[in-house]
Amino acid sequence: QKEVEQNSGPLSVPEGAIASLNCTYSDRGSQSFFWYRQYSGKSPELIMFIYSNGDKEDGRFTAQLNKASQYVSLLIRDSQPSDSATYLCALYNFNKFYFGSGTKLNVKP
Amino acid sequence: EAGVAQSPRYKIIEKRQSVAFWCNPISGHATLYWYQQILGQGPKLLIQFQNNGVVDDSQLPKDRFSAERLKGVDSTLKIQPAKLEDSAVYLCASSLMWGVDTQYFGPGTRLTVL
Repeated sequence: QKEVEQNSGPLSVPEGAIASLNCTYSDRGSQSFFWYRQYSGKSPELIMFIYSNGDKEDGRFTAQLNKASQYVSLLIRDSQPSDSATYLCALYNFNKFYFGSGTKLNVKP
Repeated sequence: EAGVAQSPRYKIIEKRQSVAFWCNPISGHATLYWYQQILGQGPKLLIQFQNNGVVDDSQLPKDRFSAERLKGVDSTLKIQPAKLEDSAVYLCASSLMWGVDTQYFGPGTRLTVL
């Protein structure tokens, strides 16, 4: 069983819409969660992290954590074509980072 | 502030050959990570260093992979001998502290094993 599961997509949304990306994890004891963006051929870059249940907002991005249901989500408001990338969910557990396989997002102009 | 540097950016070798990758982390960053990212998958942690000591190498295939971080700065990752399934991007990342801290990734080395 993988530590982190993501739907590979692609998820297609029109420009200006809200993109919703989801991630589930297996270890109920996981505490720290991260969202990375990875453009094709580039390395991952951190978008935001979340530790507590609930929502955390940063500009157009909102991370949501529900520890009881063991899922983390990322909402991107007013999606732009430049948001087209693969979004990686990661968690920190047992002194290591575990990454999901990523969800590819396509934002259509 | 300079980012994480890696070289080479691309490498093509034949199976059973050896290859080495180099990483220079952000100045002052104590923790260094090596990840393997196979096409279509997320990064998989191979080894992490805290200064020049190994914190975790549980997912490093030690029969063929080795890594070192001399003097707690630069690091090298070696594969000997390479297999076809080692074809991947090898990412180096660093963070200021060990534990839950922001990781900064280098550009990666794309390895193709023929």
